[in-house]
Amino acid sequence: AQSVTQLGSHVSVSEGALVLLRCNYSSSVPPYLFWYVQYPNQGLQLLLKYTTGATLVKGINGFEAEFKKSETSFHLTKPSAHMSDAAEYFCAVSSGAGSYQLTFGKGTKLSVIP
Amino acid sequence: DTAVSQTPKYLVTQMGNDKSIKCEQNLGHDTMYWYKQDSKKFLKIMFSYNNKELIINETVPNRFSPKSPDKAHLNLHINSLELGDSAVYFCASSQGGSATLYNEQFFGPGTRLTVL
Repeated sequence: AQSVTQLGSHVSVSEGALVLLRCNYSSSVPPYLFWYVQYPNQGLQLLLKYTTGATLVKGINGFEAEFKKSETSFHLTKPSAHMSDAAEYFCAVSSGAGSYQLTFGKGTKLSVIP
Repeated sequence: DTAVSQTPKYLVTQMGNDKSIKCEQNLGHDTMYWYKQDSKKFLKIMFSYNNKELIINETVPNRFSPKSPDKAHLNLHINSLELGDSAVYFCASSQGGSATLYNEQFFGPGTRLTVL
């Protein structure tokens, strides 16, 4: 079984400030990890993913995340928040190659204050 | 150009009615999914089909019935709609299978269902 915990259902940052969205996972097998973003009234869009290899992964729109196995974490960061980053962010875990099951966290709403 | 499309985008209906939501993907994927997103934004998988075969069937009322006429389509039919069915329903697709490296899912824009 696998699960995802996103700490903080709502995070507010000032424009230009660091964005840090936390994600911890539980998985009995080496996980594949994903961050998705959902803009208001839209579907989910993949931001970045970790499968194997380099533990620091870069995604679209300046976001990146680091897989830390010892901490079972996959936190999402962006050095400088932009107003357009305001959205709902979802962390998700898959149990690896061939798996169809993607388990999502409950989401974190990011607000950016001008 | 739309990768995963859903129709309709909005659906408003009365309790007790039967309705369908259609989903089509042009990515050549062999696996499709239906998710329900509740008012708190929580995403829960409902069903998944791989090559027209049902592979994930979570605990969902049997009023919900998915149908996959071919690999590119996965429709969701809901009988006897209830107030609690009001939600946003997302369709997604991926290339799944034992030879696949990862299960990146591509999502449709969602269908907002409101049951009155």
